[in-house]
Amino acid sequence: GAGVSQTPSNKVTEKGKYVELRCDPISGHTALYWYRQSLGQGPEFLIYFQGTGAADDSGLPNDRFFAVRPEGSVSTLKIQRTERGDSAVYLCASSLTFVSNTGELFFGEGSRLTVL
Amino acid sequence: RKEVEQDPGPFNVPEGATVAFNCTYSNSASQSFFWYRQDCRKEPKLLMSVYSSGNEDGRFTAQLNRASQYISLLIRDSKLSDSATYLCVVNTLNGGSQGNLIFGKGTKLSVKP
Repeated sequence: GAGVSQTPSNKVTEKGKYVELRCDPISGHTALYWYRQSLGQGPEFLIYFQGTGAADDSGLPNDRFFAVRPEGSVSTLKIQRTERGDSAVYLCASSLTFVSNTGELFFGEGSRLTVL
Repeated sequence: RKEVEQDPGPFNVPEGATVAFNCTYSNSASQSFFWYRQDCRKEPKLLMSVYSSGNEDGRFTAQLNRASQYISLLIRDSKLSDSATYLCVVNTLNGGSQGNLIFGKGTKLSVKP
């Protein structure tokens, strides 16, 4: 499809394990964003990329979280030593250029992470 | 204080009612403002931008008051299909970057027959 694709759609893991979540943005979109959403909350900003570089990673909660976008397209969010509090839906979004111009982020359906 | 604050609701209204949602933001340097809609267990989608002069899109009207740091969304003649969570969204600048979108917690609307 032409939309943002995220895998896996669901991930159940045990406390302390390592997890990778993948995002494939809309072709041609230079900006890529990661958010996470807990039940009853709005999406919480984590990091965004303009091309290959992280333009703003101020939302990453701690050094267990890391994200890469080595070729300026697909991005991987990596979580080390997972904790139960990491359980959430991790949303990826992309936009053609800086989102401040249009406000339009195209979101994927999310990866639901459950840490037992 | 959270950057973007909204009344979580839920707002339960009958079909045909007019309903208004409010939102306040804390960063006076915020540049751009939007409303997103999120259906249950779905991803958020842009509903409309919010301009200083106010703007309308069919049954939806958005307004911005920069002095009060306040944004509103009015829905007229509400339909069953309007049932969703409405997210107030603000663009902030962070250092030299173009910034990112900060989302409120959302206001849940339920339109009943």
